[in-house]
Amino acid sequence: DTAVSQTPKYLVTQMGNDKSIKCEQNLGHDTMYWYKQDSKKFLKIMFSYNNKELIINETVPNRFSPKSPDKAHLNLHINSLELGDSAVYFCASSTPGHHYGYTFGSGTRLTVV
Amino acid sequence: QQQVKQSPQSLIVQKGGISIINCAYENTAFDYFPWYQQFPGKGPALLIAIRPDVSEKKEGRFTISFNKSAKQFSLHIMDSQPGDSATYFCAASMRTNAGKSTFGDGTTLTVKP
Repeated sequence: DTAVSQTPKYLVTQMGNDKSIKCEQNLGHDTMYWYKQDSKKFLKIMFSYNNKELIINETVPNRFSPKSPDKAHLNLHINSLELGDSAVYFCASSTPGHHYGYTFGSGTRLTVV
Repeated sequence: QQQVKQSPQSLIVQKGGISIINCAYENTAFDYFPWYQQFPGKGPALLIAIRPDVSEKKEGRFTISFNKSAKQFSLHIMDSQPGDSATYFCAASMRTNAGKSTFGDGTTLTVKP
C-alpha cells in the first residue's frame, strides 16, 4: 500500500551512461515532482507535472528529461551522466485539496563513478 | 536568492527539553508553510503545516508559531524524545505556483537520552 514508490532505490553507474528512475503514486494526486537532495541535504525542485503536463522546469541541464505517461507516473531519464549528478532523487506528489502538502517517495540514491 | 532561511543548522537537546527551529521567508505570496521530518535513508514526511491566517497550530508535541508581519515561522517540539532525532525542513509554497515548495536548508536535531 505504498503511497509514492520509486525504483530503483540505489543506482550506481559510470560516467557517460544513460539511466532512468521510475515513480508511481497511488494517492490520486494531480501533481508530481522531482526533487534533488545533495550531499548537504539541500532539497531543490527540478520538475513538476500536473495531469501529465509539465508546469515547472527549473534550471536543470537538458540531459535530464522527465516523462509522465499518466498522472500516476512520473519518470526521470538522465543522459550522459556526470559525477555531479550523484545525489538522492526524490519523487513527490500533492494535490490542491491538501494545500499541496507533499508525499515523498523513499528516494533513489544515484552514484556516478 | 534564498527565499526560505532556516536556523540553526544543527541542534542538540536533552530528552524532555524543547527543540526550536526557526525559518524566515521573503515572498509574501507564499500561502502554505509545512514542516517535514526526514530520517536517514527515508524521504521527508509531512509533519505539520500552517496557513498565514493562523498564528499557531498544535499537533501533539509539535507546534508551529507563525508571525506574518515578521515573515517568520518556527517549529517547537515539546518534551523532545530520542526518536525525534532527524532532519527537519521548513518549506513555503503558493497555490498559484502549482504548489511548488521552496525548502529551507534543514536542521539536524539530536535528542540525547
